[in-house]
Amino acid sequence: GQNIDQPTEMTATEGAIVQINCTYQTSGFNGLFWYQQHAGEAPTFLSYNVLDGLEEKGRFSSFLSRSKGYSYLLLKELQMKDSASYLCAVRYSGAGSYQLTFGKGTKLSVIP
Amino acid sequence: DAGITQSPRHKVTETGTPVTLRCHQTENHRYMYWYRQDPGHGLRLIHYSYGVKDTDKGEVSDGYSVSRSKTEDFLLTLESATSSQTSVYFCAISEGVSETQYFGPGTRLLVL
Repeated sequence: GQNIDQPTEMTATEGAIVQINCTYQTSGFNGLFWYQQHAGEAPTFLSYNVLDGLEEKGRFSSFLSRSKGYSYLLLKELQMKDSASYLCAVRYSGAGSYQLTFGKGTKLSVIP
Repeated sequence: DAGITQSPRHKVTETGTPVTLRCHQTENHRYMYWYRQDPGHGLRLIHYSYGVKDTDKGEVSDGYSVSRSKTEDFLLTLESATSSQTSVYFCAISEGVSETQYFGPGTRLLVL
């Protein structure tokens, strides 16, 4: 199968910037998604990258390098409510019906 | 809000009993998915559907069956529940040019 790797846990301080990395196998790559999941809740969509470069959405940005099989999610001006798990998911061409392969998630703790 | 509901939201059942989980969507999406989420494994695809009566297996389909007799409903059945099927089950739809997946609120299933 296609492994999606991301750190298990991270801790950052309120008001700071944090970068969550994701690496994946490049063969057949057809899009990368980031989701946020608060404890006990469903994942919610944050961003989508299919071309190289940076996509910015308010305090959140996502970067993609297709040749390196690498993406990161950048969170600026961290707030306590950003404490959550962040899931990286990749779509591979040839997989039926827009299937996604998910990483195991990065649990981010924001401390005062 | 992608108009996705799941029922029941919580269920406790005994080993060997059949269980059916329902996913209902109101916006006529073609693609629907069932995932399970377990600690240490992340989200894993069980089955998906690409239209009425059109379904296929995902990564962890053993012990599960699905049906889609109407566009709006996608049912997941555990024919004979086992303790290893204790999990949180999420339904998702995909929409838009990027076919981004959006998740329902989830069902917590405990098999005793």
